[in-house]
Amino acid sequence: DQQVKQNSPSLSVQEGRISILNCDYTNSMFDYFLWYKKYPAEGPTFLISISSIKDKNEDGRFTVFLNKSAKHLSLHIVPSQPGDSAVYFCAASGRGGGNKLTFGTGTQLKVEL
Amino acid sequence: GAGVSQSPRYKVAKRGQDVALRCDPISGHVSLFWYQQALGQGPEFLTYFQNEAQLDKSGLPSDRFFAERPEGSVSTLKIQRTQQEDSAVYLCASSLAAAGAAGTQYFGPGTRLLVL
Repeated sequence: DQQVKQNSPSLSVQEGRISILNCDYTNSMFDYFLWYKKYPAEGPTFLISISSIKDKNEDGRFTVFLNKSAKHLSLHIVPSQPGDSAVYFCAASGRGGGNKLTFGTGTQLKVEL
Repeated sequence: GAGVSQSPRYKVAKRGQDVALRCDPISGHVSLFWYQQALGQGPEFLTYFQNEAQLDKSGLPSDRFFAERPEGSVSTLKIQRTQQEDSAVYLCASSLAAAGAAGTQYFGPGTRLLVL
């Protein structure tokens, strides 16, 4: 039972364009969402988070949007840079689950020159 | 230290051997988590400590897995009688947030365990 889903295993975009990574969740108890970026042989690196009381959070080139009614969130990266090429994981935590994170399976982003 | 550190980075074990994986969290972080990441998957929760107390071990796959954090800082994940299905990357994360409070978890580089 996959409570956090990233349905696109891979995404390719051109440098300078917008990258949009999507994530869906099924557990209505989730109230805090995070995006992590992972390079090979390294641990996940925190990018940006959003609480369920908000619908948007922005940090530099990264913006996360949350649509609670659709149980959907997305990460926008603009402009995309070659160094953004990595695997991106969506994660969620919530009431009743303590602080543990439930992760999606990741989306491999490739930013091409 | 500046971040979460884990050792060893790589471990090869023969089936049936015991292994111990170490995690040094960010100084002052109350919460410590262990996750297991199989190839091509996202990390999956194993266990959680607040200071020295193990508050949740619901993700430990069997009684061969044991974790401790005796002084509320360094943690060790021990796997007894390793099996091939234990091969994975074991990630440690720490957070300033205490139980019940949402907080960002910061991850170490992981220990890649291969059981032959």
